[in-house]
Amino acid sequence: KAGVTQTPRYLIKTRGQQVTLSCSPISGHRSVSWYQQTPGQGLQFLFEYFSETQRNKGNFPGRFSGRQFSNSRSEMNVSTLELGDSALYLCASSLSPGGMNTEAFFGQGTRLTVV
Amino acid sequence: QQPVQSPQAVILREGEDAVINCSSSKALYSVHWYRQKHGEAPIFLMILLKGGEQKGHDKISASFNEKKQQSSLYLTASQLSYSGTYFCGTEPPGNTGKLIFGQGTTLQVKP
Repeated sequence: KAGVTQTPRYLIKTRGQQVTLSCSPISGHRSVSWYQQTPGQGLQFLFEYFSETQRNKGNFPGRFSGRQFSNSRSEMNVSTLELGDSALYLCASSLSPGGMNTEAFFGQGTRLTVV
Repeated sequence: QQPVQSPQAVILREGEDAVINCSSSKALYSVHWYRQKHGEAPIFLMILLKGGEQKGHDKISASFNEKKQQSSLYLTASQLSYSGTYFCGTEPPGNTGKLIFGQGTTLQVKP
């Protein structure tokens, strides 16, 4: 069974640019969550999608957005990049968004560097 | 509100035991535990639900005190492979799908 796939693995962008990250969940998983991981802040929740609907959003500015497609694949977009957006962006998929089947399977992440 | 983990770091010898604690100021629906090794993705260890249900690995145990909004992860007879950063994630009631993670506890097991 294939795991969670995130692309690309590494990205270098310039301040002011925008970026799109992709996440393909485990087959059959309909819930996809995104997290930002930095040494200082740890794992910060960005948003969660289930059946193409954003159900929850973390405390991030509107420059961070996402979407989920009918095949459960998800993308997140960051516009007008700032130096502080440099981080590891992790995607996690789970069978359902609550209860005993909420165990999340994380992808390897996309390492974004903003210069 | 981010849960608080303690201790922040712990160093053990192989075979020793460790306890990692996670507490929240908010009412909880569930507590999740993950371990992340350097340069790798976090992996699922345990999930504990309000009401006593739990799901996870055989060699790792955990408790969830709903009234105190606390959870503890028990690592017994530690092995070198237990080294890594342990995160607890809390899920408030009525807000499923949103995990708020603690800052992490770094565990180093030495031979």
